[in-house]
Amino acid sequence: QVQLQESGPGLVKSSQTLSLTCTVSGGSISSGSYYWSWIRQPAGKGLEWIGRIYTSGSTNYNPSLKSRVTISVDTSKNQFSLKLSSVTAADTAVYYCARGTGTTLGYFDLWGRGTLVTVSS
Amino acid sequence: QSVLTQPPSVSAAPRQRVTISCSGSSSNIGNNAVHWYQQLPGKAPKLLIYYDDLLPSGVSDRFSGSKSGTSASLAISGLQSEDEADYYCATWDDSLNGHVFGTGTKVTVL
Repeated sequence: QVQLQESGPGLVKSSQTLSLTCTVSGGSISSGSYYWSWIRQPAGKGLEWIGRIYTSGSTNYNPSLKSRVTISVDTSKNQFSLKLSSVTAADTAVYYCARGTGTTLGYFDLWGRGTLVTVSS
Repeated sequence: QSVLTQPPSVSAAPRQRVTISCSGSSSNIGNNAVHWYQQLPGKAPKLLIYYDDLLPSGVSDRFSGSKSGTSASLAISGLQSEDEADYYCATWDDSLNGHVFGTGTKVTVL
């Protein structure tokens, strides 16, 4: 079955750029009517949607993060990626990648296990 | 700060029923479907209810969802210890043009 796996540095210095990749296995990232999202969760807090990408390259971002976020997709590698620039301690969180389905306003039916990213000063 | 408001916690004894509310506005719940996720301790969220009241395959029918106006609810009947988790509502917000999650509710089985 399709699985998602996040990867990337677990420690990022303040003011630098956080970079994560989500690898889709067990199926093609391009098959079906899906979109691919990043969601994060600071320790002990709730979920925050970061943004999404379709395999066409079309993106939507959370307005509160839009100026710092870039999500890209590499269909040849079956991966999509997140870059978050100018990070601060407030960006310390578990970052999840997830598959969106249903419609453009759909739901997340598949999640990665998450990866903890800590921003250090 | 989330645009969807949930109670921080609810609790009940085993075999009892609990409900979790999710309050929004006309730009989100009032105009779009609501979905619910269960997050067990230390785990990734899992889809529990989609399109207001539909159960994914494999999810117990002890869980049910409903929506009215700008609010939605998740009910858990026959509460079990394995239901102890955080629960989040979610939907699309037309004003923000993005997905939004509720503040989350911790369910405790007494």
